[in-house]
Amino acid sequence: RKEVEQDPGPFNVPEGATVAFNCTYSNSASQSFFWYRQDCRKEPKLLMSVYSSGNEDGRFTAQLNRASQYISLLIRDSKLSDSATYLCVVNPRAAGNKLTFGGGTRVLVKP
Amino acid sequence: DAGVTQSPTHLIKTRGQQVTLRCSPKSGHDTVSWYQQALGQGPQFIFQYYEEEERQRGNFPDRFSGHQFPNYSSELNVNALLLGDSALYLCASSFGRQAAFFGQGTRLTVV
Repeated sequence: RKEVEQDPGPFNVPEGATVAFNCTYSNSASQSFFWYRQDCRKEPKLLMSVYSSGNEDGRFTAQLNRASQYISLLIRDSKLSDSATYLCVVNPRAAGNKLTFGGGTRVLVKP
Repeated sequence: DAGVTQSPTHLIKTRGQQVTLRCSPKSGHDTVSWYQQALGQGPQFIFQYYEEEERQRGNFPDRFSGHQFPNYSSELNVNALLLGDSALYLCASSFGRQAAFFGQGTRLTVV
Protein backbone atom coordinates (compact mmCIF):
# COMPACT_ATOMS: atom_id res chain seq x y z
CA ARG A 1 0.00 0.00 0.00
CA LYS A 2 1.29 3.45 -0.89
CA GLU A 3 1.96 5.82 1.98
CA VAL A 4 -0.25 8.52 0.46
CA GLU A 5 -2.95 7.67 -2.07
CA GLN A 6 -5.05 9.91 -4.26
CA ASP A 7 -7.62 9.40 -6.99
CA PRO A 8 -5.70 10.52 -10.09
CA GLY A 9 -8.86 11.84 -11.79
CA PRO A 10 -9.32 13.76 -13.91
CA PHE A 11 -12.24 15.47 -12.25
CA ASN A 12 -14.05 17.37 -14.98
CA VAL A 13 -15.79 20.29 -13.29
CA PRO A 14 -18.14 22.87 -14.82
CA GLU A 15 -17.09 26.42 -14.11
CA GLY A 16 -18.82 27.63 -10.94
CA ALA A 17 -19.41 24.15 -9.56
CA THR A 18 -18.04 22.60 -6.38
CA VAL A 19 -15.56 19.76 -6.43
CA ALA A 20 -14.16 17.73 -3.56
CA PHE A 21 -11.64 14.95 -3.34
CA ASN A 22 -9.83 12.99 -0.67
CA CYS A 23 -6.42 11.63 0.07
CA THR A 24 -5.65 8.70 2.39
CA TYR A 25 -2.44 8.18 4.31
CA SER A 26 -1.12 5.01 5.92
CA ASN A 27 1.06 6.29 8.77
CA SER A 28 -1.19 7.01 11.72
CA ALA A 29 1.63 8.94 13.42
CA SER A 30 1.79 11.52 10.63
CA GLN A 31 2.26 15.00 11.96
CA SER A 32 1.63 17.60 9.29
CA PHE A 33 -0.56 17.73 6.24
CA PHE A 34 -0.64 20.01 3.23
CA TRP A 35 -2.24 20.52 -0.14
CA TYR A 36 0.02 21.69 -2.93
CA ARG A 37 -1.04 22.72 -6.40
CA GLN A 38 1.06 21.87 -9.43
CA ASP A 39 0.53 23.27 -12.91
CA CYS A 40 1.79 21.36 -15.93
CA ARG A 41 5.61 21.19 -16.00
CA LYS A 42 5.88 23.63 -13.07
CA GLU A 43 6.94 23.24 -9.47
CA PRO A 44 4.45 22.42 -6.68
CA LYS A 45 3.16 25.47 -4.86
CA LEU A 46 1.69 25.45 -1.38
CA LEU A 47 -2.07 25.82 -1.48
CA MET A 48 -2.79 25.40 2.19
CA SER A 49 -1.79 23.60 5.34
CA VAL A 50 -4.39 21.29 6.84
CA TYR A 51 -5.16 21.68 10.52
CA SER A 52 -6.94 19.27 12.83
CA SER A 53 -9.89 21.63 13.20
CA GLY A 54 -10.17 22.09 9.44
CA ASN A 55 -9.45 25.34 7.73
CA GLU A 56 -10.72 27.53 4.96
CA ASP A 57 -8.95 29.91 2.60
CA GLY A 58 -11.34 31.72 0.33
CA ARG A 59 -12.99 29.17 -1.94
CA PHE A 60 -10.83 26.32 -0.61
CA THR A 61 -11.65 24.20 2.43
CA ALA A 62 -9.42 21.48 3.84
CA GLN A 63 -10.41 18.87 6.41
CA LEU A 64 -8.42 16.28 8.34
CA ASN A 65 -9.94 13.05 9.65
CA ARG A 66 -7.31 11.38 11.83
CA ALA A 67 -9.57 8.46 12.79
CA SER A 68 -10.03 7.42 9.18
CA GLN A 69 -6.65 8.75 8.09
CA TYR A 70 -7.68 10.97 5.26
CA ILE A 71 -7.63 14.62 4.31
CA SER A 72 -9.95 16.33 1.90
CA LEU A 73 -9.98 19.42 -0.27
CA LEU A 74 -13.13 21.18 -1.42
CA ILE A 75 -13.14 23.90 -4.05
CA ARG A 76 -16.24 26.09 -4.30
CA ASP A 77 -17.24 28.25 -7.27
CA SER A 78 -14.56 26.66 -9.46
CA LYS A 79 -12.64 28.95 -11.80
CA LEU A 80 -10.94 28.01 -15.03
CA SER A 81 -7.67 28.91 -13.33
CA ASP A 82 -8.26 26.18 -10.75
CA SER A 83 -7.37 23.59 -13.40
CA ALA A 84 -4.24 21.90 -12.06
CA THR A 85 -3.00 18.81 -10.27
CA TYR A 86 -3.56 18.89 -6.53
CA LEU A 87 -0.95 17.07 -4.50
CA CYS A 88 -1.71 15.70 -1.06
CA VAL A 89 1.38 15.92 1.13
CA VAL A 90 2.07 14.33 4.49
CA ASN A 91 4.99 14.82 6.86
CA PRO A 92 5.16 11.52 8.70
CA ARG A 93 7.72 12.49 11.27
CA ALA A 94 7.85 14.71 14.28
CA ALA A 95 11.30 15.97 13.33
CA GLY A 96 12.57 17.18 10.04
CA ASN A 97 10.48 17.98 7.05
CA LYS A 98 10.49 14.91 4.82
CA LEU A 99 7.38 15.23 2.72
CA THR A 100 5.57 12.23 1.29
CA PHE A 101 3.51 13.07 -1.78
CA GLY A 102 0.48 11.43 -3.24
CA GLY A 103 0.38 10.96 -6.99
CA GLY A 104 -1.90 13.95 -7.41
CA THR A 105 -5.51 14.53 -8.41
CA ARG A 106 -6.01 16.26 -11.73
CA VAL A 107 -8.82 18.80 -11.89
CA LEU A 108 -10.07 20.24 -15.17
CA VAL A 109 -12.50 23.16 -14.93
CA LYS A 110 -14.43 23.72 -18.13
CA PRO A 111 -16.59 26.64 -19.29
CA ASP B 1 12.84 38.31 -1.39
CA ALA B 2 14.07 35.64 -3.78
CA GLY B 3 12.40 32.30 -3.42
CA VAL B 4 14.08 28.97 -4.00
CA THR B 5 16.27 29.06 -7.07
CA GLN B 6 17.66 26.10 -8.97
CA SER B 7 20.18 25.78 -11.76
CA PRO B 8 20.30 24.80 -14.49
CA THR B 9 16.68 24.71 -15.61
CA HIS B 10 17.27 22.10 -18.30
CA LEU B 11 20.04 19.61 -18.86
CA ILE B 12 20.77 16.82 -21.33
CA LYS B 13 23.31 14.16 -20.39
CA THR B 14 24.48 10.86 -21.81
CA ARG B 15 24.16 7.54 -20.00
CA GLY B 16 27.09 6.93 -17.67
CA GLN B 17 27.87 10.61 -17.19
CA GLN B 18 27.69 12.52 -13.93
CA VAL B 19 25.56 15.58 -13.19
CA THR B 20 25.47 18.26 -10.50
CA LEU B 21 22.34 20.27 -9.78
CA ARG B 22 22.30 23.35 -7.58
CA CYS B 23 19.80 24.95 -5.23
CA SER B 24 19.69 28.17 -3.24
CA PRO B 25 17.06 28.14 -0.50
CA LYS B 26 14.57 30.82 0.31
CA SER B 27 15.93 33.48 2.65
CA GLY B 28 15.59 32.37 6.29
CA HIS B 29 15.34 28.68 5.47
CA ASP B 30 18.01 26.30 6.74
CA THR B 31 16.81 22.93 5.46
CA VAL B 32 17.03 21.74 1.88
CA SER B 33 15.31 18.66 0.49
CA TRP B 34 15.61 17.13 -2.96
CA TYR B 35 12.85 15.33 -4.84
CA GLN B 36 12.64 13.44 -8.11
CA GLN B 37 9.44 13.70 -10.11
CA ALA B 38 8.87 11.39 -13.05
CA LEU B 39 6.26 12.31 -15.62
CA GLY B 40 2.73 11.78 -14.32
CA GLN B 41 3.82 10.95 -10.77
CA GLY B 42 4.15 12.79 -7.51
CA PRO B 43 7.59 13.90 -6.30
CA GLN B 44 9.68 11.24 -4.56
CA PHE B 45 11.92 12.20 -1.64
CA ILE B 46 15.64 11.73 -2.31
CA PHE B 47 17.28 13.23 0.79
CA GLN B 48 17.34 16.20 3.11
CA TYR B 49 20.19 18.36 4.35
CA TYR B 50 20.32 20.32 7.56
CA GLU B 51 23.39 21.87 9.19
CA GLU B 52 25.51 20.60 6.29
CA GLU B 53 24.64 16.98 6.99
CA GLU B 54 22.30 14.50 5.37
CA ARG B 55 19.51 14.13 7.89
CA GLN B 56 17.08 11.84 6.08
CA ARG B 57 17.22 9.74 2.93
CA GLY B 58 14.64 8.13 0.71
CA ASN B 59 14.94 4.93 -1.29
CA PHE B 60 17.53 6.08 -3.78
CA PRO B 61 20.84 4.36 -4.57
CA ASP B 62 24.22 5.66 -3.52
CA ARG B 63 24.67 7.09 -7.01
CA PHE B 64 22.63 9.98 -5.64
CA SER B 65 24.64 12.13 -3.26
CA GLY B 66 24.49 15.65 -2.04
CA HIS B 67 26.06 18.43 -0.12
CA GLN B 68 24.98 21.48 1.82
CA PHE B 69 27.20 24.52 2.18
CA PRO B 70 27.50 26.92 5.14
CA ASN B 71 25.21 29.41 3.35
CA TYR B 72 22.53 26.64 3.24
CA SER B 73 22.73 26.21 -0.53
CA SER B 74 22.89 22.64 -1.73
CA GLU B 75 24.00 20.41 -4.55
CA LEU B 76 22.62 17.12 -5.82
CA ASN B 77 25.05 14.84 -7.62
CA VAL B 78 24.09 11.82 -9.66
CA ASN B 79 26.78 9.45 -10.93
CA ALA B 80 26.62 6.83 -13.67
CA LEU B 81 23.42 8.24 -15.12
CA LEU B 82 20.75 5.84 -16.32
CA LEU B 83 17.94 6.52 -18.77
CA GLY B 84 15.54 6.10 -15.83
CA ASP B 85 17.09 9.09 -14.08
CA SER B 86 15.35 11.36 -16.58
CA ALA B 87 12.96 13.43 -14.50
CA LEU B 88 12.22 16.80 -12.98
CA TYR B 89 14.45 17.35 -9.96
CA LEU B 90 12.93 19.63 -7.37
CA CYS B 91 14.61 21.37 -4.49
CA ALA B 92 12.53 22.45 -1.51
CA SER B 93 13.61 24.63 1.38
CA SER B 94 12.03 24.98 4.78
CA PHE B 95 12.56 26.12 8.34
CA GLY B 96 11.57 23.85 11.19
CA ARG B 97 8.25 22.15 10.47
CA GLN B 98 6.89 25.01 8.42
CA ALA B 99 5.67 24.25 4.91
CA ALA B 100 8.31 23.73 2.28
CA PHE B 101 8.72 25.94 -0.76
CA PHE B 102 9.91 24.57 -4.07
CA GLY B 103 12.21 25.85 -6.76
CA GLN B 104 11.20 25.72 -10.40
CA GLY B 105 13.11 22.47 -10.84
CA THR B 106 15.78 21.13 -13.16
CA ARG B 107 14.53 19.00 -16.00
CA LEU B 108 17.15 16.32 -16.64
CA THR B 109 17.07 14.23 -19.79
CA VAL B 110 19.42 11.26 -20.08
CA VAL B 111 19.98 9.97 -23.60
